[in-house]
Amino acid sequence: NAGVTQTPKFQVLKTGQSMTLQCAQDMNHNSMYWYRQDPGMGLRLIYYSASEGTTDKGEVPNGYNVSRLNKREFSLRLESAAPSQTSVYFCATVGQVGAFFGQGTRLTVV
Amino acid sequence: DQQVKQNSPSLSVQEGRISILNCDYTNSMFDYFLWYKKYPAEGPTFLISISSIKDKNEDGRFTVFLNKSAKHLSLHIVPSQPGDSAVYFCAERSYGGSQGNLIFGKGTKLSVKP
Repeated sequence: NAGVTQTPKFQVLKTGQSMTLQCAQDMNHNSMYWYRQDPGMGLRLIYYSASEGTTDKGEVPNGYNVSRLNKREFSLRLESAAPSQTSVYFCATVGQVGAFFGQGTRLTVV
Repeated sequence: DQQVKQNSPSLSVQEGRISILNCDYTNSMFDYFLWYKKYPAEGPTFLISISSIKDKNEDGRFTVFLNKSAKHLSLHIVPSQPGDSAVYFCAERSYGGSQGNLIFGKGTKLSVKP
């Protein structure tokens, strides 16, 4: 299926561990985004990449880094996970009007 | 202060009746508002949008109304179906912003009862 693919779907980390969330899109869009969704908070933008080779901070970037590897792939890295980063993470890419989302990664930091 | 507000965290409606989901905003410099629907364990999916130059957009059972003077928009679902049960987010896309740099409301959970 065309769209946005995220891996892994689930992950449990211990505090202080690191991990990278992967995202790939086959829609040939320039821009890609990482959001997190927390109960009662809606979706909040962590980082985005308007085009290959550029990245910018969103609303809640602290504790995260990103890499736009090529046009298709945009990864999100947690260098030292904290319980406050327990959340559902969504990668998205953008068409003419709105965003298309992946299925999400449910991350728990214990 | 929240830029996009969905003041009702939940809404329960009988099948066949109208569902009305509301959204208020503070920033007038937007070019689109968008509605997304989200089922548990899935990513949000785009539902319908409205341009800042319009006051109504309709797509099948879904209609979005924009009242710029009141800085308010609403999504109407008629008739409501049990499959419409989901969380609905409204999102603002601002002028000059990156296309995906959407500001989301906190969502309204709609339950449609058979």
